[in-house]
Amino acid sequence: KNQVEQSPQSLIILEGKNCTLQCNYTVSPFSNLRWYKQDTGRGPVSLTIMTFSENTKSNGRYTATLDADTKQSSLHITASQLSDSASYICVVSARSNSGYALNFGKGTSLLVTP
Amino acid sequence: DGGITQSPKYLFRKEGQNVTLSCEQNLNHDAMYWYRQDPGQGLRLIYYSQIVNDFQKGDIAEGYSVSREKKESFPLTVTSAQKNPTAFYLCASTASGSSYNEQFFGPGTRLTVL
Repeated sequence: KNQVEQSPQSLIILEGKNCTLQCNYTVSPFSNLRWYKQDTGRGPVSLTIMTFSENTKSNGRYTATLDADTKQSSLHITASQLSDSASYICVVSARSNSGYALNFGKGTSLLVTP
Repeated sequence: DGGITQSPKYLFRKEGQNVTLSCEQNLNHDAMYWYRQDPGQGLRLIYYSQIVNDFQKGDIAEGYSVSREKKESFPLTVTSAQKNPTAFYLCASTASGSSYNEQFFGPGTRLTVL
């Protein structure tokens, strides 16, 4: 069964600190992996997408890594800001007979405090 | 939230009533999706449509119905058969053809059954 596991479930950090969120998956056959940011009560917004051949990609203070061999991804947030408080969702796309299927993690809830 | 709108933002329903959630997009996307999000759980696919006048059941379609009469509109009806409809509902759209294409999400509708 295709699964996406995220850790930690929740995290509290001080403003200005760095943090790393983890995503482990068993999805196969792998197509790509995307990280979304979801503010409370809003829809998710894409941060990065990575394919099999990419092992790192940055978007401002967000840097995602992918190890396709161990099926692990991480999202590193540098110099956190209060506006980074949100849920971060890992989504892994798998190829299927009808095209592709998205597998969603449960998300990591991040709270950045002053 | 891109070019996707959902209405209403909050919806209250009495038990036994059907309600319809609106989703409109002006991105000229072929594919549209409905997801349900519950606290501590990943997004779960209810229905999706890859082309006008065609739609497919997702993982949790029971108690829901959809229509796709226009490319830009994909309304979701939550029927009285849905046992536990209180949740946050997200609509998304994407340019079809590749899993690399980002799914753009609407702002969501929070449905509460009284």
